[in-house]
Amino acid sequence: DGGITQSPKYLFRKEGQNVTLSCEQNLNHDAMYWYRQDPGQGLRLIYYSQIVNDFQKGDIAEGYSVSREKKESFPLTVTSAQKNPTAFYLCASSASGLNLYNEQFFGPGTRLTVL
Amino acid sequence: GEDVEQSLFLSVREGDSSVINCTYTDSSSTYLYWYKQEPGAGLQLLTYIFSNMDMKQDQRLTVLLNKKDKHLSLRIADTQTGDSAIYFCAEMAAGFQKLVFGTGTRLLVSP
Repeated sequence: DGGITQSPKYLFRKEGQNVTLSCEQNLNHDAMYWYRQDPGQGLRLIYYSQIVNDFQKGDIAEGYSVSREKKESFPLTVTSAQKNPTAFYLCASSASGLNLYNEQFFGPGTRLTVL
Repeated sequence: GEDVEQSLFLSVREGDSSVINCTYTDSSSTYLYWYKQEPGAGLQLLTYIFSNMDMKQDQRLTVLLNKKDKHLSLRIADTQTGDSAIYFCAEMAAGFQKLVFGTGTRLLVSP
């Protein structure tokens, strides 16, 4: 089955600790994205990557870091500099290139709670 | 800049039609999308419309686009309890595959 996996589904961390959220896709998509979802605020883009070894900041990148060493993987690190990290984090991917209709496929999400 | 707005909540009875509205600001948007999110899950694409279209119908779903007013709507006919979810509209920002999402509308369908 092709799709996007995120692990773990629930994550608890103490304040001041860095934590890395996993995102893997086997859809052979070039582009990958990380979003943060807070109640009543919709989805906000944290980072995105159009191709391996390249990524750009989204709208709320402060306090986060990413890497894209492999096409299928786009891990997100929530650092201690992120002031309010408790949220639902969603990873997505899409094919790129000449196809203008770029459906983004979403993973099931990771709920991070910082205690 | 881009901005997408939706009302936060809609409540309907089973069997009625639901209409979820969305306004956007980027007139250069090429595609507009409707996604559905069930509790504790990721988003699932329901349908999309190209900006040169006025309407698109897909089974129980009808999308209307008023490009002049930058208004998008999603009509769900014969709404079922399984349609209860959060619905997001999104526009594709000019120049790249970046989607700008609205705040989401929580649809509650009562029996």
